[in-house]
This record gives sequence, structure tokens and C-alpha cells, in this order.
Amino acid sequence: EPEVTQTPSHQVTQMGQEVILRCVPISNHLYFYWYRQILGQKVEFLVSFYNNEISEKSEIFDDQFSVERPDGSNFTLKIRSTKLEDSAMYFCASIGGEADTQYFGPGTRLTVL
Amino acid sequence: AQKITQTQPGMFVQEKEAVTLDCTYDTSDPSYGLFWYKQPSSGEMIFLIYQGSYDQQNATEGRYSLNFQKARKSANLVISASQLGDSAMYFCAMRSYRSGNTPLVFGKGTRLSVIA
Repeated sequence: EPEVTQTPSHQVTQMGQEVILRCVPISNHLYFYWYRQILGQKVEFLVSFYNNEISEKSEIFDDQFSVERPDGSNFTLKIRSTKLEDSAMYFCASIGGEADTQYFGPGTRLTVL
Repeated sequence: AQKITQTQPGMFVQEKEAVTLDCTYDTSDPSYGLFWYKQPSSGEMIFLIYQGSYDQQNATEGRYSLNFQKARKSANLVISASQLGDSAMYFCAMRSYRSGNTPLVFGKGTRLSVIA
């Protein structure tokens, strides 16, 4: 069964550094999402992406964040200058199937020191 | 704006028993979908079950069923014959179908512990 994949599974970085989180959505899906989950809290929407552009973004998704689909398969989230409060699990999701169900990747745990 | 409320931070259930996890929602959109996800300790989000706002029947998926009461705006998850592997966080989520592919809005989750 096809699945969303994410790399790396865990990233540790120093405050102020740039990080790129990578996702490979399910191949025939067209809508892609990034969510984050701060430890012990609920999942929060960051941004959605369709047809090579952002379709919706939340207040969390400020100028420090950017998304890109550099090729036909990868979907990336970049944080330009990480802050301590960016430490979280970041999930990529893509839509397809019945009811436009969002299928989530396994997540990348980002730790900012 | 949409909102999901899960009032049970934690639940315990005996193995092989059934358990109901509560979820209420708030939306002004007439068309929406309700979802349940399971998050085990490993962290991934696993899709369990879906209910559309216009579906006449409650959704079922194996041991999972969704008790959908539209007038009360509730979408409780029922897990029958609980297994030890069901121990996890469970999140209720919804999305509006007002336009395009809107993002999911999640509740705070319920931690289910299955006791042998």
C-alpha cells in the first residue's frame, strides 16, 4: 500500500540554523500539507500546497517558513532560522482516496537546541 | 471557524471490552467531514475512520465505528473488543468542504490505555 514518507525521522539543530524537512507524498495525490505537533499538544495546520503554490497557510507559517516542490515527487518545508519554540513533530500529509482523506507521513521530530 | 472538543484527556479500558471516545465539534459549514486518527507512542498518525456530514449511516471500519449524532454535533469513536495494541492517543479531526481542500482541525486528543 502506498504511503507518505518523510526524512529525516529526527533532526537536531542549533538555534538560528536552517533546516529542510523532506516529504514524498503518495504519487497520485495532488494536495499536500504540513502540520506540526508540539510535544503533548494537538496537531496544528501550517500550510497547504496545490498546483505548485501555497493554497492556504496558518498564522504559524510566518516568513521563517517556506515550502517547495523541487521535483515531481519531493515536497519540502524549510525553516530559515530555527527558534527553540520550533521544536516539534512535523507531519506531511497528502490527500487522496475516499472522502479526500489526509494520509500522514511518519513525521520528523525536530529538536532545536 | 471550526472547533473540535475532546473532553477526555485519558481513558482506561479492560482488554476485550468496548470503549467510547467522545468528540464534539462546532462548525457553521453545512458540508464537512469528521475523521479519527490514532497516534501510538512511535508518533505516526494513523487514519482510522471517516464520516461525512451527509452520510445517513454511521461509519464502521473493522472494530472501529463512529457514533455520529449530527443534531448534537458529536462524532464519538467506539472501539469494540479492545486490544493491548489499541493503547495510544486518539485524535478527532474535521474539515470543511466549503471550498478547495481545507486543512484538518484537530482536537487535543484522548490517551487510551488498554489494561490486560
